[in-house]
Amino acid sequence: EIVLTQSPATLSLSPGERATLSCRASQSVSDYLAWYQQKPGQAPRVLIYDASNRATGIPARFSGSGSGTDFTLTISSLEPEDFAVYYCQQRSIWLTFGGGTKVEIK
Amino acid sequence: QVQLVQSGAEVKKPGASVKLSCKASGYTFTNYAIHWVRQAPGQRLEWMGYINAAIGDTKYSQKFQGRVTITRDTSARTAYMELSSLRSEDTAVYYCAREVLRWFDPWGQGTLVTVSS
Repeated sequence: EIVLTQSPATLSLSPGERATLSCRASQSVSDYLAWYQQKPGQAPRVLIYDASNRATGIPARFSGSGSGTDFTLTISSLEPEDFAVYYCQQRSIWLTFGGGTKVEIK
Repeated sequence: QVQLVQSGAEVKKPGASVKLSCKASGYTFTNYAIHWVRQAPGQRLEWMGYINAAIGDTKYSQKFQGRVTITRDTSARTAYMELSSLRSEDTAVYYCAREVLRWFDPWGQGTLVTVSS
């Protein structure tokens, strides 16, 4: 099983700041990596697919990069609605999710 | 619009089974796989398995193999997930999600399953 490790577990930032979230895979997943946002009481929502492609309707402040084993989700300038938990997910071999990064208001 | 609507919350006793439903609308049901993912309180998302809605082929996570069965009814545009031999650790929100190539969009609203004696 491919293990996805997300860091940091919690990111404390202020609105307007830049957020950089990391996802590391235990072996190469090529670019078969997606990022999701989950708010309390809601289902996850896809933000980025195939490592760097923004899903339909996702604002340009969200961007993804990386390939192989190291991936990054960047939120260029945090809006109030961006404070949530973010998960990465791979679909290269079977399917696994990372443990999540909580982006909280500082 | 594309939507997945799940059945309501369930309360089950240890050892029982639960069968959840996921009704699709807004797209051709047989063109996409439906996956089931669960999330225990405060825990990460955990993939359980999926069904190819066109041919009914299934694949399950090793963790749930033997306890989970995913089926579908194409005429009803609905997928089902049955989990047997429930234990307290199965208390979680269960989501269905449509697979678009290699990612999930959309997700159902989630169904809370509580296992308690």
